[in-house]
Amino acid sequence: GAGVSQSPRYKVAKRGQDVALRCDPISGHVSLFWYQQALGQGPEFLTYFQNEAQLDKSGLPSDRFFAERPEGSVSTLKIQRTQQEDSAVYLCASSLAPRGEETQYFGPGTRLLVL
Amino acid sequence: KNEVEQSPQNLTAQEGEFITINCSYSVGISALHWLQQHPGGGIVSLFMLSSGKKKHGRLIATINIQEKHSSLHITASHPRDSAVYICAVRSWVASGSRLTFGEGTQLTVNP
Repeated sequence: GAGVSQSPRYKVAKRGQDVALRCDPISGHVSLFWYQQALGQGPEFLTYFQNEAQLDKSGLPSDRFFAERPEGSVSTLKIQRTQQEDSAVYLCASSLAPRGEETQYFGPGTRLLVL
Repeated sequence: KNEVEQSPQNLTAQEGEFITINCSYSVGISALHWLQQHPGGGIVSLFMLSSGKKKHGRLIATINIQEKHSSLHITASHPRDSAVYICAVRSWVASGSRLTFGEGTQLTVNP
């Protein structure tokens, strides 16, 4: 079956521009996670959804970052007024079980470069 | 000090060598994951374990909960094993569980 997909795969934005990153999780997966991975670093947690409910957004680095999953499937991560420090790979992962209790399946990531 | 530390950061081996990557953590966990990341970003889950040892093909993962330490071993390494290997620990938070990742170990296996 289809895995987790993300779009776009690459995004170049000018500083100050708003961007929207999309994640299509595996169908039926309850849990959805967003991570930020800076170059040469491990991923860092941003936010977590259980179905449409955003249960944890404590990893979002600033109020310029906003995520939603309105129907409990596709999720969008929006970054407003992008800054150069936002340049990173943004990874989405989904998991069948609630509370992230099982294996997470990762998408290929969106590589964001802010100039 | 990071909650999850891996060693070594970089590892170069010759094809056929036995490889060990180590992971130490400082928090209480419910499970530990070993992940593989190839160039281009794709991450694949190799193991999820909470005790003992698991084996899949040439890969073996062990965990010692008391010592808060895990190792990933690759037997008879091959150039296609070249990738970044990431250790991640799952710990409980109010909303459920959260993965905290190590910085990864870049493995290069030369033919």
